[in-house]
Amino acid sequence: EAGVTQFPSHSVIEKGQTVTLRCDPISGHDNLYWYRRVMGKEIKFLLHFVKESKQDESGMPNNRFLAERTGGTYSTLKVQPAELEDSGVYFCASSQDRGRAPTFGAGSRLTVL
Amino acid sequence: DAKTTQPTSMDCAEGRAANLPCNHSTISGNEYVYWYRQIHSQGPQYIIHGLKNNETNEMASLIITEDRKSSTLILPHATLRDTAVYYCIVSPNTDKLIFGTGTRLQVFP
Repeated sequence: EAGVTQFPSHSVIEKGQTVTLRCDPISGHDNLYWYRRVMGKEIKFLLHFVKESKQDESGMPNNRFLAERTGGTYSTLKVQPAELEDSGVYFCASSQDRGRAPTFGAGSRLTVL
Repeated sequence: DAKTTQPTSMDCAEGRAANLPCNHSTISGNEYVYWYRQIHSQGPQYIIHGLKNNETNEMASLIITEDRKSSTLILPHATLRDTAVYYCIVSPNTDKLIFGTGTRLQVFP
C-alpha cells in the first residue's frame, strides 16, 4: 500500500506569506494527525482528525494555523501569515483506527525567511 | 512533557544486539509503551509497543519490567541502517503521542 504522502517536501517563503501543506493519508485511514518539529525542539502534536472532524486540536500553536480535512480524505495545513518561528518540519500521520500506531509521512520542511 | 527518560546517545557495533533502555516510573496502569525511531530526513517509524508482556516482532523485542517502570528495546542484530533516534513513549492510546528527546543510536562497522 502507498504510504502517507506529504507535499511539498520543502517550502521556502518569506515572513508574512502564506503556505499550505498537504497530506494524503493511507487510503481508508480515518485518523489523521499533524505534528511538527521546530528547530531544536522535540516533535510536538498539533491536531487529530477523525474523518473530517477535528477530534483534538489542542496542539495548534495559534490562530495563524488552520487545518482542514474536507471529505475526510486528504488534509491541508495552512499557515497565514507565516512567522520565523514557524520554520521546521511538519509531519502528517494516519491510522486505520485509534488502536493502531499511526504511520508517519516523510514530512514537509518549512523555511520562513 | 514526556513521561520517559532515555539516554541521550548510545553506540553499537554492527551485528551486535542494541539494547535501548527507557525509564517510565510514573506510568499509569492503562498506558502502553510505544517505540518509534526516526532515521535522518524521514518521518518517525513505528517499531513496537506493549502493555505489560514482552513483545517481539520482525523489527525488535520489547522487554517491560514487572513493575512496568522501565523497559528495554532490543534490536537483535543491529545494522548500519538502524542508526537513528529512538523514542520511547508512554500513552493510553496513539491519539496524541508525546515525543521526548530520544536516544541517538549510532551503529558502527
